[in-house]
Formats: sequence, structure tokens, C-alpha cells
Amino acid sequence: AQSVAQPEDQVNVAEGNPLTVKCTYSVSGNPYLFWYVQYPNRGLQFLLKYITGDNLVKGSYGFEAEFNKSQTSFHLKKPSALVSDSALYFCAVSPRTGGGNKLTFGTGTQLKVEL
Amino acid sequence: GAVVSQHPSRVICKSGTSVKIECRSLDFQATTMFWYRQFPKKSLMLMATSNEGSKATYEQGVEKDKFLINHASLTLSTLTVTSAHPEDSSFYICGGKTGDKIGNTIYFGEGSWLTVV
Repeated sequence: AQSVAQPEDQVNVAEGNPLTVKCTYSVSGNPYLFWYVQYPNRGLQFLLKYITGDNLVKGSYGFEAEFNKSQTSFHLKKPSALVSDSALYFCAVSPRTGGGNKLTFGTGTQLKVEL
Repeated sequence: GAVVSQHPSRVICKSGTSVKIECRSLDFQATTMFWYRQFPKKSLMLMATSNEGSKATYEQGVEKDKFLINHASLTLSTLTVTSAHPEDSSFYICGGKTGDKIGNTIYFGEGSWLTVV
């Protein structure tokens, strides 16, 4: 069975500073990995995904994530945080084979960007 | 990105009644749709996966007779909570998958708040 761990419930960062939201995964074989963002009382917005190829994936709103197979990690990063980036971020994994195309989500990390 | 619409965004119903939530893919055909439930400050729990024209596949522990899922067309899936109880109050989110390949992106709706009183 696949699983995702987001070790930090909350991350605080000052506006203009780089941010990192951590994610590690467990899945049989190679994974597909996703990041979604959720604003208060809203649905999930797709940010980016890793399928294959370059380990550094660039996504929406200036976010990027790096797939690290040896560390089974897929940390989300942004070089310069904005107050408007404050939201709940979810990492998700789907196995390449089997698993019924299902996404398994982490518990989410609340990002707070302050002036 | 692809757009998924959910309706209603908020609904209040009386205990014992049924309520239906619609999920529509507006600009793509979703052969597979997913229904998730989110508890406050908690992650998303997959309830069921539905494929157009076939019966939904429910996750372990989800009552299929209580949470009826219908995926009648490539752009519409519905979740009906039957005989609702206060413990069914939650945030329900649907997602539609673009295409059949594993790894295709799932796009989610805005979610529906259900309150059972």
C-alpha cells in the first residue's frame, strides 16, 4: 500500500524568503507524485506533478519540486514566498501499476507567509 | 487546467433525509471520477472511485448503500448521502481524471459542505 508523509503540520516563512514544504512517500515501484494547494473552504488546486524525466519539476505560481528517488522525497519549493501563498498544501502519490489509479494524500502542511 | 464544478457548495439537511451532490467536468471528459471526504484539519479520505457507465468501487469501510455514487456520463458524477446523520457532516470533494492513463492529473471541484442537523 502506498503512503505519504508530510512531517510538518505548519511551516512559517517571511515574505521574500525561500520556502520548502517536505514530503516523503512509500510505494511499490516508481511513483507518480503530485502537489495540490487548498485555500480556506475551497477545493484542491493542482500545482505540479512528477511523472518521469527531469527530477526538478516546475509548476504553477512559481512553485517547483524535486524528486529524489534515493530519499523517497518530493519536497515543494519556491525561491521567494508571497503572503498569498499562505494555504494548505497536500502531497499525493499514485503507483505506476495497480492501485486503481488512486491518489493517496498526505496529512497536509499549513504554510503561513508573513510580512 | 481542466475545470470541475461541484454543486451545491453548501447544503444543510435534516437528519434522516437524503442529499445529492453533483460533480461535473466542464471542459474535459472524465472517464474516472473520485469522491473524497475531508474532516476538519485532516487529510482527504478516498471514499470511492467511479467509472462512467459502471458501478463505483468503494474503499474499505465506506458504506455503499449509504453513499450512492452514480457516474452516468463522461461529465457527470453524483454522490447521494442517504438517510443522513450528523456524523455525515463533512466537506466532500470530487475529482475528475483526464484520460485513462495512470499518472494523468486529477482535477478537483471546489468541494461541498454538508451539514446534517
